[in-house]
Amino acid sequence: AQSVAQPEDQVNVAEGNPLTVKCTYSVSGNPYLFWYVQYPNRGLQFLLKYITGDNLVKGSYGFEAEFNKSQTSFHLKKPSALVSDSALYFCAVRDSSTGGFKTIFGAGTRLFVKA
Amino acid sequence: DTGVSQDPRHKITKRGQNVTFRCDPISEHNRLYWYRQTLGQGPEFLTYFQNEAQLEKSRLLSDRFSAERPKGSFSTLEIQRTEQGDSAMYLCASSRGDAEGNTIYFGEGSWLTVV
Repeated sequence: AQSVAQPEDQVNVAEGNPLTVKCTYSVSGNPYLFWYVQYPNRGLQFLLKYITGDNLVKGSYGFEAEFNKSQTSFHLKKPSALVSDSALYFCAVRDSSTGGFKTIFGAGTRLFVKA
Repeated sequence: DTGVSQDPRHKITKRGQNVTFRCDPISEHNRLYWYRQTLGQGPEFLTYFQNEAQLEKSRLLSDRFSAERPKGSFSTLEIQRTEQGDSAMYLCASSRGDAEGNTIYFGEGSWLTVV
């Protein structure tokens, strides 16, 4: 069965500093990996995804993520954090061996960027 | 390109009443998903449609829950005899069905409070 873990409930970073939000996953087949962001009382907004190819994927708002197959990780990164990046971030995985339709989400990591 | 639309955005109901939520997916998307999200948790998969066919239901979807997508376009999620534990945000999402790695796009969610 597929699963995803976000080991940090909260990440604190100063504005202008680089940020990393961690994610590890477990699948039987090949993983399709996603990051979403959620602002208060809103739905989830898609940031970026890894399907195949280059391990470093770039997404919206300057975010990027690196797929590491050996460590089964897909950490979200941004070189310079903004206060407006403060939100709840979800990592998600879809397992190709299950037909590739069911996306499982982590519990989320709250990012707090201090001015 | 309009996004996924959900209605109502908020619903307060008394325990034991029935509620129904509607979801209108992005027009060219033939896959539709329902998720449930409680405070401090990531979205939990409930069910999935490909066109009008409901292909998988989570164990979370008790017999008080029913979802339909009669014409392969909009979908409804009905909860009968609501309980306080049903209080959550119900998220609808949609995607194209032509590739396993397609991104799912979420609506703004429907908040349910059972009092």
